[in-house]
Amino acid sequence: QTVVTQEPSFSVSPGGTVTLTCGLSSGSVSTSYYASWYQQTPGQAPRTLIYSTNTRSSGVPDRFSGSIVGNKAALTITGAQADDECDYYCVLYIGSGISVFGTGTKVTVL
Amino acid sequence: QIQLVQSGTEVKKPGASVKVSCKASGYIFTNYGVTWVRQAPGQGLEYMAWISGYNGNTKFAQKFQGRVTMTTDTSTSTAYMELRSLRSDDTAVYYCARAGRIAPVEFDYWGQGTLVTVSS
Repeated sequence: QTVVTQEPSFSVSPGGTVTLTCGLSSGSVSTSYYASWYQQTPGQAPRTLIYSTNTRSSGVPDRFSGSIVGNKAALTITGAQADDECDYYCVLYIGSGISVFGTGTKVTVL
Repeated sequence: QIQLVQSGTEVKKPGASVKVSCKASGYIFTNYGVTWVRQAPGQGLEYMAWISGYNGNTKFAQKFQGRVTMTTDTSTSTAYMELRSLRSDDTAVYYCARAGRIAPVEFDYWGQGTLVTVSS
């Protein structure tokens, strides 16, 4: 069974930069996995930030960016703000019509 | 503007079925697919299944194979997800999201979520 791994938590200072990663239990992530990233605050539906590795969703500020770093997909938040404090999930398309969510990263801004 | 509006809260008994609807507007329904995702209380997001609005093709995560049915009504741009043989651990918020036409990628717009509670 494919497991998609994310850091459980990350802390960043206001104005700072943080890079979250999304990896596979076995193997490397490439653009063929169509990595996407979602932001979720408690009690709300997810908000799409990035899809197809590095395409920013409509209305998402350019301080959010997606990339491949090493063998993982990555989401970088530049100039972190207080309202960036929430949960972040990645999704990888592993083929045969199946996508898998990552375990999620809780970001704290302090 | 693009919207996905889901049906309301459901309370079901173990063993029953639930059918959640997801009405799309603001785009050509048949040019995209719909993905279903759920989130149990205090837990992360879980991919369930995907249906193409173009040709009705479906794909399921292994754990939901055989227990989930998805359909679409292109005349009303509505997708439906039915989950059968409900158990207490099916208690969750169920989301639909717009996805790719031929694969469950690029979930770009989301419904507001439907809370399904399974309790005797």
